[in-house]
Amino acid sequence: GENVEQHPSTLSVQEGDSAVIKCTYSDSASNYFPWYKQELGKRPQLIIDIRSNVGEKKDQRIAVTLNKTAKHFSLHITETQPEDSAVYFCAASREAAGNKLTFGGGTRVLVKP
Amino acid sequence: NAGVTQTPKFQVLKTGQSMTLQCAQDMNHNSMYWYRQDPGMGLRLIYYSASEGTTDKGEVPNGYNVSRLNKREFSLRLESAAPSQTSVYFCASSDRPSLYGYTFGSGTRLTVV
Repeated sequence: GENVEQHPSTLSVQEGDSAVIKCTYSDSASNYFPWYKQELGKRPQLIIDIRSNVGEKKDQRIAVTLNKTAKHFSLHITETQPEDSAVYFCAASREAAGNKLTFGGGTRVLVKP
Repeated sequence: NAGVTQTPKFQVLKTGQSMTLQCAQDMNHNSMYWYRQDPGMGLRLIYYSASEGTTDKGEVPNGYNVSRLNKREFSLRLESAAPSQTSVYFCASSDRPSLYGYTFGSGTRLTVV
């Protein structure tokens, strides 16, 4: 089955700096890669996703890049703000019945004012 | 429009007790999932239901059973709770995970003593 590794496990940045979280996956057939943000005590919420036919996607201050050859994808947050402090999860799945997501271990991001 | 509703939000069980976690969605989604979240281990899939009438094991199914009661409801049962099942449990649903990702419920924090 799919295995997703996520690094780093914790990340501390100064407000205004950029944050980068990296994930690798094992199943070359995976073709959908979402990112979720989980604030303390809350449910995970989808913030951005990318499909295998696209190399990069942006949404305001966040962007995701995908390298299918190397089987890794990354989340980039620019101009970080205190409200970006949360746990971020990457995930991967393939187009198939069930389409179950396999999640990485999560990255706790702390943005220091 | 409630989305995905989980009950209860908190529960304390004694070792050996049984309980059922309830999950219902009102978005007419075909697929439903149960995950557990433990510190540093991300979200791990327990069971999923690709469509009404079907259920399949995920990564960590031991000690759990599920029932897809109808299209809306997907319950998770612990027959004989163990301390290792102390965790936060999330239910999720999706119509096309590879297009829209998951919608998560608010979670159930379960402690087994």
